[in-house]
Amino acid sequence: ETGVTQTPRHLVMGMTNKKSLKCEQHLGHNAMYWYKQSAKKPLELMFVYNFKEQTENNSVPSRFSPECPNSSHLFLHLHTLQPEDSALYLCASSQDGRKLFFGSGTQLSVL
Amino acid sequence: AQSVSQHNHHVILSEAASLELGCNYSYGGTVNLFWYVQYPGQHLQLLLKYFSGDPLVKGIKGFEAEFIKSKFSFNLRKPSVQWSDTAEYFCAVIANNNAGNMLTFGGGTRLMVKP
Repeated sequence: ETGVTQTPRHLVMGMTNKKSLKCEQHLGHNAMYWYKQSAKKPLELMFVYNFKEQTENNSVPSRFSPECPNSSHLFLHLHTLQPEDSALYLCASSQDGRKLFFGSGTQLSVL
Repeated sequence: AQSVSQHNHHVILSEAASLELGCNYSYGGTVNLFWYVQYPGQHLQLLLKYFSGDPLVKGIKGFEAEFIKSKFSFNLRKPSVQWSDTAEYFCAVIANNNAGNMLTFGGGTRLMVKP
């Protein structure tokens, strides 16, 4: 148990659906991250939040919309996704950008 | 459930020393294996990966790792470390199973190289 909890573990959605991924960290960290892991590709950083403020958006399409209401919670809102968006989405947290603690991920399948 | 263990939480070496960081996983099926590095104040970078083929994998910056299936291990090595190798190192495993491809990270190993 890393102290970072992601829900749901698995998600199947159609291209017209709207869904959200949730991440919660119980470590008192001040930074949270969304990563994408596609098949046979290295991990891709999507978004970074420091003290609830988005400090990095790594050229992510607008169909992915992050939300960080407080330093313990991070959401990734999904809308009109494409099949190529099917991947594992990982949340992580850290204190001041130091060591990352990862959640278990959400396996997303877009049909 | 699958798990990834990095037994060395903190490693301190002098420059030019040889490095070996352990990584063991608990899954008997087909796996893809990764080593990532996080330098101080920076984001994760991929050092090397194994999908299939030669179990001895060469990565960037002189790192290599060997997949030993019988030992469920994927240890990271470097013959001679440099001060700039000071970082956090993460082993990660994707287990290809019917439930989907879940990526699991080890707890990380903090390497400090003394000049």
